[in-house]
Amino acid sequence: EVQLLESGGGLVRPGGSLRLSCTASGFTFRSYAMGWVRQAPGKGLEWVSSIGSSGGDSYYADSVEGRFTVSRDNSKNTLYLQMDSVKVEDTAIYYCAKGRHFNVWGRGSLVIVSS
Amino acid sequence: EIVMTQTPLSLSVTPGQPASISCKSSQSLLHSDGKTYLFWFLQKPGQSPQLLMYEVSGRFSGVPDRFTGSGSGTDFTLNISRVEAEDVGVYYCMQGIYFPRTFGQGTKVEIK
Repeated sequence: EVQLLESGGGLVRPGGSLRLSCTASGFTFRSYAMGWVRQAPGKGLEWVSSIGSSGGDSYYADSVEGRFTVSRDNSKNTLYLQMDSVKVEDTAIYYCAKGRHFNVWGRGSLVIVSS
Repeated sequence: EIVMTQTPLSLSVTPGQPASISCKSSQSLLHSDGKTYLFWFLQKPGQSPQLLMYEVSGRFSGVPDRFTGSGSGTDFTLNISRVEAEDVGVYYCMQGIYFPRTFGQGTKVEIK
């Protein structure tokens, strides 16, 4: 069974940093692009970032460009999202999703940015 | 950035009746490879989003055949032939042809 499990969320102060992880199982992780999508409280879905299967290409939403960094370790079947200089408006549930078009989603990790 | 516009934003449906959601994109989603990269997701209450339809009309694994996707270019529709109680939630369309990926605002479907 394909599974994605996010971790690393929590409370962080504005301007601080946090690293989210997404551990994958049930499929050949190294063969698939991966992505991060977030959902602010009571709001819709917002794409955050995507990364190619080898990690050589990455893409970001304008709202996080220059502050967030996506990476992956194919030997550990793990996707990461390094979040720096976080803002209050980054408060959301962060989902990792499999593939270029998100055919499987994790359960999400809640990030709260507040002073 | 491609803007995705869904209508209606909410829908109340009697069980057994059909439902239809429209999604329009600000640019064509037809790729040079011949595929159209329009996707539909459903987020049931308290759950993560799940893929329903890929490339306009492909039903993802396990999706009931009462769900049908159609459309081309910039205009797309998700139809539910006979709504069931388990279909409640928020439906999102998403374009997957360009970065940034963009979603529609979501359509909330509830049962009367």
